[in-house]
Amino acid sequence: QSVLTQPPSVSAAPGQKVTISCSGSSSNIGNNYVSWYQQLPGTAPKLLIYENNKRPSGIPDRFSGSKSGTSATLGITGLQTGDEADYYCGTWDSSLSANVFGTGTKVTVL
Amino acid sequence: EVQLVESGGGLVKPGGSLRLSCAASGFTFSSYSMNWVRQAPGKGLEWVSSISSTSSYIYYADSVKGRFTISRDNAKNSLYLQMNSLRAEDTAVYYCARGLGFGELADWGQGTLVTVSS
Repeated sequence: QSVLTQPPSVSAAPGQKVTISCSGSSSNIGNNYVSWYQQLPGTAPKLLIYENNKRPSGIPDRFSGSKSGTSATLGITGLQTGDEADYYCGTWDSSLSANVFGTGTKVTVL
Repeated sequence: EVQLVESGGGLVKPGGSLRLSCAASGFTFSSYSMNWVRQAPGKGLEWVSSISSTSSYIYYADSVKGRFTISRDNAKNSLYLQMNSLRAEDTAVYYCARGLGFGELADWGQGTLVTVSS
């Protein structure tokens, strides 16, 4: 089972904002960078945020990331129907010497 | 443009073996760590294994340790995953992914489906 905990689902109307939390511990989020991934239905995951708050080229600034202590948050503003997807946080766990992912959050645009 | 193309998936009986390959292009393969990540049907992402750029460092998830072997051939720009003693719970889509840093996966392939069933 995953060592990173996310809410199973979040939803909001088009144009609104959603936030997704990712809770871990000192061995993972607390001492390593957090990344976020978007997985649209039927497709491979795509990197949205790396090093806690950086966006790869081509990712709109509607997506933002932050980290505080042993938790991280992904924010999506100006929600669009195309944002409906599963979102995962990820990081390295220094105690496990393993990459770990969150449980995943399904975003629904109402 | 970075491209990662997995192959080698298919149907295999419990206890059987399979070798996955990932052909990489569009970046200097020998400079990056590489990873395998899997996703069981209807489930979340599960990291499987990582290998450093020179194969000096290799890591495995506990669920596959002793059964799976990751390797790479930098001359062929290819990543591999040898899977032995396969179990039903290994059924998943297997993705290869380019590492950006520890725990950060920059680019992903389209995945290859492995089904373990009698």
